Amino acid sequence: RKEVEQDPGPFNVPEGATVAFNCTYSNSASQSFFWYRQDCRKEPKLLMSVYSSGNEDGRFTAQLNRASQYISLLIRDSKLSDSATYLCVVIRGTGRRALTFGSGTRLQVQP
Amino acid sequence: DTAVSQTPKYLVTQMGNDKSIKCEQNLGHDTMYWYKQDSKKFLKIMFSYNNKELIINETVPNRFSPKSPDKAHLNLHINSLELGDSAVYFCASSKEGDRSSPQHFGDGTRLSIL
Repeated sequence: RKEVEQDPGPFNVPEGATVAFNCTYSNSASQSFFWYRQDCRKEPKLLMSVYSSGNEDGRFTAQLNRASQYISLLIRDSKLSDSATYLCVVIRGTGRRALTFGSGTRLQVQP
Repeated sequence: DTAVSQTPKYLVTQMGNDKSIKCEQNLGHDTMYWYKQDSKKFLKIMFSYNNKELIINETVPNRFSPKSPDKAHLNLHINSLELGDSAVYFCASSKEGDRSSPQHFGDGTRLSIL
């Protein structure tokens, strides 16, 4: 089983739609969680951190469910510019760390 | 004023050659990383250095040798390049001990082996 799993998509949605991605992680000792965004042929960029209490940044809402070991990302009122690959990222353990990336979920917002 | 810069951006070379990729960060971070993103777009950690000390070394062929002359630089040298080495290599940096600190990535080096 992969340490971080995501549905690869693609998710094809019309502009203005609400879309949600889930991601599951296998290591219950995982400590920190993030969503990154990667545009085609570009580097990953941090979209938002994910906190246990859930957090919102404009049209984006991230939530963490530790009991079920998944995190989610909700995008409201999708824009064409939201088209990208969304990477679920987990930092395992409390020691020196590296990010463990999911394989990404591709989103295509259509006019 | 690029935060994490990698050179070269593109590298096309023949099988069997030896090549290096350089990475520098000006963020004052103390931890640097190399990631490999293959044709299936899966991003995987290769190495991590903290204050010039190797702290993560995933299962990577020993043809790959990272070198950190100081905490602002982490270079990657690859010997005897193989076709399977074709990928995008990303350098990243972060601040150790700050669990909420995100990693900042360079633009990537697109390595193609002929």
